[in-house]
Amino acid sequence: DSGVTQTPKHLITATGQRVTLRCSPRSGDLSVYWYQQSLDQGLQFLIQYYNGEERAKGNILERFSAQQFPDLHSELNLSSLELGDSALYFCASSAGLAGEANTQYFGPGTRLTVL
Amino acid sequence: LAKTTQPISMDSYEGQEVNITCSHNNIATNDYITWYQQFPSQGPRFIIQGYKTKVTNEVASLFIPADRKSSTLSLPRVSLSDTAVYYCLVGDIRRAAGNKLTFGGGTRVLVKP
Repeated sequence: DSGVTQTPKHLITATGQRVTLRCSPRSGDLSVYWYQQSLDQGLQFLIQYYNGEERAKGNILERFSAQQFPDLHSELNLSSLELGDSALYFCASSAGLAGEANTQYFGPGTRLTVL
Repeated sequence: LAKTTQPISMDSYEGQEVNITCSHNNIATNDYITWYQQFPSQGPRFIIQGYKTKVTNEVASLFIPADRKSSTLSLPRVSLSDTAVYYCLVGDIRRAAGNKLTFGGGTRVLVKP
């Protein structure tokens, strides 16, 4: 158990809908990352937050957005869903600048299926 | 941005040692080398991390030559449960922004009985 939790574990929805994925980082970790992994593909970095502020953006679509709340949990919002958005979405956390650990810890992921 | 190159796949047999090499020619001075293991439909799991020379823990060893332009993950005496995808990541996670921490394509290791 990495200490990173993600909900829900599975999500099935229809095209055009909007969903919210939730992530709680490890206790004390300030940095949260979101990744997308399509079938048999590598990890694609989407976005990173550090202590409530956006730190970096990757290949994140404009239909997707995220935020990190004062309690450091994060949400990834996916809207106007398309079939191609079906994927595993992982959240990872790290201590960030304030910590000594130089490691990302990944959550179990949310499997999104768009029908 | 330290780009990494790994073999796409490797086959091995139970009880053998598996060595996976990752090339990272433009590694930066502050970059660390981290390896993750991923099983199907699960999140990547940290295996080992190093900066230079050799690092060993209870599951693997990591060999890093003096020029640090490559690294080799060594899995001793693999079992069927070691069948997974292994990712090499180069960067300074504490300081680098997420878009500077690029996972390579990973190496799919298949352990046969």
